[in-house]
Amino acid sequence: DSGVTQTPKHLITATGQRVTLRCSPRSGDLSVYWYQQSLDQGLQFLIQYYNGEERAKGNILERFSAQQFPDLHSELNLSSLELGDSALYFCASSVVAGGPGDTQYFGPGTRLTVL
Amino acid sequence: GDSVTQMEGPVTLSEEAFLTINCTYTATGYPSLFWYVQYPGEGLQLLLKATKADDKGSNKGFEATYRKETTSFHLEKGSVQVSDSAVYFCALSDRGTGNQFYFGTGTSLTVIP
Repeated sequence: DSGVTQTPKHLITATGQRVTLRCSPRSGDLSVYWYQQSLDQGLQFLIQYYNGEERAKGNILERFSAQQFPDLHSELNLSSLELGDSALYFCASSVVAGGPGDTQYFGPGTRLTVL
Repeated sequence: GDSVTQMEGPVTLSEEAFLTINCTYTATGYPSLFWYVQYPGEGLQLLLKATKADDKGSNKGFEATYRKETTSFHLEKGSVQVSDSAVYFCALSDRGTGNQFYFGTGTSLTVIP
C-alpha cells in the first residue's frame, strides 16, 4: 500500500459527460501528479501540482482540468468525454516538487470506461 | 528533450532464468533514474532508484547500475520467479527540466514455471 488513495476505483459513463476523479496523497507529500495509461499510448504525464499551485503540464487536453485543494487532495476533471478517453488514470504523490531522488508513489488508479 | 527508451516486450522466461531489461535515456541535466513495477490490476510501485552516476539501486533481488557513459540503467535479476511477472517501467527525473518524470513504454515480463 503506497498511502495514495484514489476514488472511485471504476467509473463507467457515456460520451459527452463529465466526471471527477479524486486523489489523496500520502501524508506529508506536497506534490500530486496525474497520469493517463492506455494500451496504445502507454503512461502519459498529464499535470503536476505542488502545494496548491500548478507546477508542470504534460499532454493534458483542454477538456481536462485539475486542481489541488488546501488539504492537498487533488481532483482531475474530465469533460466532453470521448471514447478515446477510456483509460486508467493514476495519481502519484511525492514529498517535494522534485529533486534528486524525489520518488513518486502511485495510487491504485481509476479505470474510466466511456461508452 | 528528455526521454527513456526501453527494451520492447513482451518477455517470457522460465523460472530461475536470468533477466535483463534494457533501458537507455536522454537527459539535458543530471537525472535520477528509477525502475517501477506494475503488477496486474495494480498501480506502479517503486522497485529501485539511483541518483547519480555509478550508483547501484537494488531491491528484491533486482539491480540496476546508473551508467553515465552509456546513458543506461539496465534492470537485472539473477533468478526470476513466477511472482515477478509484471510490467516494468524505466523512468527518469531530470533537475534540468524541473524534475518532471519521463517514463518508458514498459516491458511486460511473464515467468513460467
